[in-house]
Amino acid sequence: EVQLVDSGGGLVKPGRSLRLSCTASGFTFGDYSMSWFRQAPGKGLEWVGFIRKKAYGATTEYAASVKGRFTISRDDSKSIAYLQMNSLKTEDTAVYYCTRGGLSGKPVDYWGQGTLVTVSS
Amino acid sequence: DIQMTQSPSTLSASVGDRVTITCRASQSISSWLAWYQQKPGKAPKLLIYKASSLESGVPSRFSGSESGTEFTLTISSLQPDDFATYYCQQYNSFPWTFGQGTKVEIK
Repeated sequence: EVQLVDSGGGLVKPGRSLRLSCTASGFTFGDYSMSWFRQAPGKGLEWVGFIRKKAYGATTEYAASVKGRFTISRDDSKSIAYLQMNSLKTEDTAVYYCTRGGLSGKPVDYWGQGTLVTVSS
Repeated sequence: DIQMTQSPSTLSASVGDRVTITCRASQSISSWLAWYQQKPGKAPKLLIYKASSLESGVPSRFSGSESGTEFTLTISSLQPDDFATYYCQQYNSFPWTFGQGTKVEIK
């Protein structure tokens, strides 16, 4: 069974850093791209970023709102994707979800349960 | 960036109603359009991809269609489990972008 478990969220002060993890199981992690999305309280969905599988160079794409502050990486040996968040702002407060890249024309297929990041002084 | 304009923002309907939600892209996205359902406190669930392909396990009362840059999600006969918020998303190019969402409420 495919599972994605998001972790690492919490309360952090503006300007500080936090690293989220997405631990995958039930599939060959290295065969898939991964994405991160977020949802601010009471708001809609926002795409955060994307990392290709290693066969495509593990290259990344980011939303303009996080580019230069957030970094997505992956450790295929541990089946974990990371979202390193630096210089956090209050507007980064959201539930963060990792997702598995879909095949056969799907953007994503499986989602993690989400982890809440609260940026507040 | 490609803007996705979704309407309506809220929809009140009864069980058994036919429901239509529309999403318009600001430029061509071919058929790279997905629809998601989200319930409070839960992760979104993929319903439709490539504009009209039904995700495995999703009831056949859900369908998607396209006409140019206008995309439609139809629920043929609304069921109690369908009261939720629905989002469209384009994945033709980065940055991926979402519509504002449509909350389907009980009338």
